Amino acid sequence: DGGITQSPKYLFRKEGQNVTLSCEQNLNHDAMYWYRQDPGQGLRLIYYSQIVNDFQKGDIAEGYSVSREKKESFPLTVTSAQKNPTAFYLCASSMRDREFFGEGSWLTVV
Amino acid sequence: EDQVTQSPEALRLQEGESSSLNCSYTVSGLRGLFWYRQDPGKGPEFLFTLYSAGEEKEKERLKATLTKKESFLHITAPKPEDSATYLCAVQATGAGNNRKLIWGLGTSLAVNP
Repeated sequence: DGGITQSPKYLFRKEGQNVTLSCEQNLNHDAMYWYRQDPGQGLRLIYYSQIVNDFQKGDIAEGYSVSREKKESFPLTVTSAQKNPTAFYLCASSMRDREFFGEGSWLTVV
Repeated sequence: EDQVTQSPEALRLQEGESSSLNCSYTVSGLRGLFWYRQDPGKGPEFLFTLYSAGEEKEKERLKATLTKKESFLHITAPKPEDSATYLCAVQATGAGNNRKLIWGLGTSLAVNP
């Protein structure tokens, strides 16, 4: 089936560690996105990419990095510079009039 | 400043009790308004896209409408499986060629059997 696969579903990070969240899509979409979702806050855009080898910062990019080497893949690295990384992370891709979301990844700092 | 406000924050209905969720928006120009459903611990699931005032779309028990200032998601004779958080998002014309969306905080709907 076509869709977006995020992994891992649950991830624990120690202080000072970088972690990478995987996002793969087989929908042949050019545009991909990373969002962060916290209780009581709306979805906030971290990074987005409209085409391979190109990406732009969203509203809360500090402490995060991405790459877009392949159309199907858009991994997100949460660096040690991100002061409050515990959150639910959502990856999405889009066609003309809608987004398709993955199942999300829960990141917890321990 | 572009903004999306959803109300109420939470809504509890009895099975079969119809109601409406509101999404009011303030943007310089509207390119599209989107409704999504999100179940706990899952990614949002697309429901509707509306582009211009007066437009309506329906899917099963859900009907979305759009005016120049707000959108309503009408739920007719809801069932317990309609329980979820309903998210509204807006794409402004100033977004250029990208699909940067402005998201509301959502309405948490609980339908009791």
